[in-house]
Amino acid sequence: NAGVMQNPRHLVRRRGQEARLRCSPMKGHSHVYWYRQLPEEGLKFMVYLQKENIIDESGMPKERFSAEFPKEGPSILRIQQVVRGDSAAYFCASSPPVWAGDETQYFGPGTRLLVL
Amino acid sequence: AQSVTQPDIHITVSEGASLELRCNYSYGATPYLFWYVQSPGQGLQLLLKYFSGDTLVQGIKGFEAEFKRSQSSFNLRKPSVHWSDAAEYFCAVEPTSGGYNKLIFGAGTRLAVHP
Repeated sequence: NAGVMQNPRHLVRRRGQEARLRCSPMKGHSHVYWYRQLPEEGLKFMVYLQKENIIDESGMPKERFSAEFPKEGPSILRIQQVVRGDSAAYFCASSPPVWAGDETQYFGPGTRLLVL
Repeated sequence: AQSVTQPDIHITVSEGASLELRCNYSYGATPYLFWYVQSPGQGLQLLLKYFSGDTLVQGIKGFEAEFKRSQSSFNLRKPSVHWSDAAEYFCAVEPTSGGYNKLIFGAGTRLAVHP
């Protein structure tokens, strides 16, 4: 059973460009979470999604950031008009459905975004 | 507001020595508790978790953690550290109200191991 997949692993963008980060949850998982890790800091929650629904976006900046988890395909975290302060590692996690009785979040390898 | 404190930013131990990493949380009830490890440039690997029951939890790689409700703590321990344990360790809590919730992470403790 493959783990959480994220791509790309590294992404370089110039200021003002768009960044698209993709996350495929573990097979059978229906909950996806995005976290951001700034250099030398812990992870900060951004958004929690289920298929076609945003459940909690309280940690996501109101402007330039958006997330989706469509019925088919991976979850996407989109950052428009990137700025240098967006440089960070972005981690995706997934967890099993409610009936599995396990709320553990399993993390992907992350996408390291560098904004020049 | 909920928070997680890892008081030690850096810890250095000798290989073979015992290890204890501290974690304290602030939350009105008993949350779910987790320890993750992150090697440089890598993602987070789950070491162990506490949901309920026995307050001493065994994890992978010889780690264990003890939940102490009276101290709001969930300290991670290992009796004998190996050089491969050098990494960053994160304590996290998940509030238990309202179904699935975000994880709240501590700032991390970076562990160095001397030969």
